Amino acid sequence: ETGVTQSPTHLIKTRGQQVTLRCSSQSGHNTVSWYQQALGQGPQFIFQYYREEENGRGNFPPRFSGLQFPNYSSELNVNALELDDSALYLCASSLLPGGQETQYFGPGTRLLVL
Amino acid sequence: DQQVKQNSPSLSVQEGRISILNCDYTNSMFDYFLWYKKYPAEGPTFLISISSIKDKNEDGRFTVFLNKSAKHLSLHIVPSQPGDSAVYFCAAQGFSTSGTYKYIFGTGTRLKVLA
Repeated sequence: ETGVTQSPTHLIKTRGQQVTLRCSSQSGHNTVSWYQQALGQGPQFIFQYYREEENGRGNFPPRFSGLQFPNYSSELNVNALELDDSALYLCASSLLPGGQETQYFGPGTRLLVL
Repeated sequence: DQQVKQNSPSLSVQEGRISILNCDYTNSMFDYFLWYKKYPAEGPTFLISISSIKDKNEDGRFTVFLNKSAKHLSLHIVPSQPGDSAVYFCAAQGFSTSGTYKYIFGTGTRLKVLA
């Protein structure tokens, strides 16, 4: 059983650009959640996908969007990057949605927006 | 609007003693609470959880207590070991007004266990 992987590990973008971050869930996990962790803060829930449909969303604007694919991979897309988007982006996979399901986190992608 | 708060940013404990990490929440609709541990350069790792219908859950050296009337939960680690040194996040899960799941994390407490 492979763990959750994310790519790239680090990324530098400029304000106004668009970025795509990728996550590969554990095999068999139909649920993926994305989080943004700013420096000194806890992870903030962006959204969750279950069986390729958005299943929940935190307080993030529509320029944050996602996709989940049948092969247990997923993407987080951010358009019109702002300086405050600089953060560690974490994805987490689980079998099903819900707090009783253990979420397995990847190591994250650190995004710097200049 | 910080619905889950960890008011102690750091905690130092002697090896072998008890570590108590605290977490407060404001939303009574949360139905599940979790603790995660995070080492540098790694993602958070699930540690222990508790349903809102229980007041205690134990797993080895780790025990989580939930006081719903006070909207407070705590994580006890006994005995503390140097390998427990990490950042600990509490998290709450519940349904949003749209009927979908929402996960809220606290800001974390950095635990240092001194040998």
